[in-house]
Amino acid sequence: GAVVSQHPSWVICKSGTSVKIECRSLDFQATTMFWYRQFPKQSLMLMATSNEGSKATYEQGVEKDKFLINHASLTLSTLTVTSAHPEDSSFYICSVRRESSYEQYFGPGTRLTVT
Amino acid sequence: QKEVEQNSGPLSVPEGAIASLNCTYSDRGSQSFFWYRQYSGKSPELIMSIYSNGDKEDGRFTAQLNKASQYVSLLIRDSQPSDSATYLCAVCTNAGKSTFGDGTTLTVKP
Repeated sequence: GAVVSQHPSWVICKSGTSVKIECRSLDFQATTMFWYRQFPKQSLMLMATSNEGSKATYEQGVEKDKFLINHASLTLSTLTVTSAHPEDSSFYICSVRRESSYEQYFGPGTRLTVT
Repeated sequence: QKEVEQNSGPLSVPEGAIASLNCTYSDRGSQSFFWYRQYSGKSPELIMSIYSNGDKEDGRFTAQLNKASQYVSLLIRDSQPSDSATYLCAVCTNAGKSTFGDGTTLTVKP
């Protein structure tokens, strides 16, 4: 397996503010990390693929100016939700992929509540 | 047609029974196949990987792959209440494109 950490595990913020979520790969260097969002009782939704040293690749319908992704090193990717609104309240999960096997290992998730 | 299809369930089995979870995929270029377990309110965790046709066993779990039929399954023997969760099937092409199914919810009743 692999250990992936996310911080914070939960956050409550006011509408209009920005929130940064960190994802760290603790066991290996990850050139590729993924960011997912999951609403209650719904399936995982891939938001973007984070590539170390280059711009993230966003899925269709995901606003790149609202969800800023920075993959600054081989062990750290950050997701910043800018000008958050209540509809952004969700469970945000990152994952890292081991390139030799394509296995993905997920962080514990960050529960965001925007009031 | 979804790229990865799973029965949403819920699938309910009695404790001690075999739970059978199925998944079909549309991209014949898929080469890597995974099963993840997600407990309510938690993130997914990898439980099985399979890359070749046939069966792969790990404890009470057996993954089965049939690339000709574009079908992958997960069998859970001696099901326990702690196995109650949503099981996600994921496939990955050689180009590294990963796609997850929507998941099957399994309930194991004591």
